[in-house]
Amino acid sequence: QKEVEQDPGPLSVPEGAIVSLNCTYSNSAFQYFMWYRQYSRKGPELLMYTYSSGNKEDGRFTAQVDKSSKYISLFIRDSQPSDSATYLCAKSNTGNQFYFGTGTSLTVIP
Amino acid sequence: EAQVTQNPRYLITVTGKKLTVTCSQNMNHEYMSWYRQDPGLGLRQIYYSMNVEVTDKGDVPEGYKVSRKEKRNFPLILESPSPNQTSLYFCASRTPSGPRDTQYFGPGTRLTVL
Repeated sequence: QKEVEQDPGPLSVPEGAIVSLNCTYSNSAFQYFMWYRQYSRKGPELLMYTYSSGNKEDGRFTAQVDKSSKYISLFIRDSQPSDSATYLCAKSNTGNQFYFGTGTSLTVIP
Repeated sequence: EAQVTQNPRYLITVTGKKLTVTCSQNMNHEYMSWYRQDPGLGLRQIYYSMNVEVTDKGDVPEGYKVSRKEKRNFPLILESPSPNQTSLYFCASRTPSGPRDTQYFGPGTRLTVL
């Protein structure tokens, strides 16, 4: 069983839509959860991190963690064409070893 | 400019021919890591290093070696490459404070082993 499962998509939405990206993970020992964004032909960049259950907001982005169901979500409000990218969820225990999902490809259509 | 550089960016080689992919960062970061990215498998960690002379295995270390003799450099060595090591490789660095500190990723090295 993979450490992190992520729906690969692709996901295509109109500009302004609310986007929901989801992952599940298998080992409850992990404490830190992250979302990375990867544009085409670039390395990933950290978008958000959280280490507890609940919601964390940053502008148009909200990261949600439900440790009881081992579910990680990223919500993007008022999506923009510049949000078109691949989104990777990740988890870490000590902050040294990381496990990533396969990524969800998102296209926001103007 | 703070950055992680990788060389080469593209490499085509043949099975069994030893190669090294270099990684260098100019941010004085203690922590560095190597990943490979494959379609359907995502980003997987190969090795990481907490500091000079301190390295540890990630999720998929088989067939790879690393060394950390200087803080800024973390080369990835494939002593006998095989076709299943054809992949996109990323190096990353960050301070050791924890995952709240962003990992800065390099631009990637696309390796093809024939």
